[in-house]
Amino acid sequence: DIQMTQSPSSVSASVGDRVTITCQASEGIASWLAWYQQKPGKAPKILISAASTLESGVPSRFSGRGSGTDFTLTISSLQPEDFATYYCQQTNSFPLTFGGGTKVEVK
Amino acid sequence: EVQLVETGGGFIPPGGSLRLSCAASGFNFNKYGMNWVRQAPGKGLEWISFIRSGGTIMYYADSVKGRFTISRDNARNSVFLQMNSLRAEDTAVYYCATIDCSGGSCFPFYFDSWGQGTLVTVSS
Repeated sequence: DIQMTQSPSSVSASVGDRVTITCQASEGIASWLAWYQQKPGKAPKILISAASTLESGVPSRFSGRGSGTDFTLTISSLQPEDFATYYCQQTNSFPLTFGGGTKVEVK
Repeated sequence: EVQLVETGGGFIPPGGSLRLSCAASGFNFNKYGMNWVRQAPGKGLEWISFIRSGGTIMYYADSVKGRFTISRDNARNSVFLQMNSLRAEDTAVYYCATIDCSGGSCFPFYFDSWGQGTLVTVSS
């Protein structure tokens, strides 16, 4: 199984800050990685597929980069609605696996 | 508008069985692979099962293999999860989620829509 490791597990930030979250796969997955945002009590929502492809309706302040084993999600200027937990997921093969999550909290 | 509505959650003692349902609308259900993803209280996301659009290919996480069975009824736009031999560690919110297979292949396997989830609590 492909293990996904996210860091940090939490980050404290202020509105307007640049926030970067990293995700590492235990083996190469090319660009087959997705990012999700989850707010408390809500279902996850997809932000990015194929490592850097922004899904429809997702603000351009979100961006993804990486390939192989190392990936990043960057929020260029944090907005109040961005405080949430973010998960990466390898989309390469079954069993599908998620990173442990990164909670973006108010500083 | 895509809508996924999960039902069937509840309180069940260890060793018991439960059947979850997910009713889909707003998209061509026959063209999508369906999944169950769960989230234990305060924990992260865990994919547990997938069924391909035709219903003949299924995959399971090791944590539920042999205990859970996924199925679908394309005529009723619904997917199901039969859960047997439930354990305390199965306590979670269970989400159904879609993977687009409309291009013939379901690859890459990312979840483009999610339901609101249904809570399963396994406890004596």
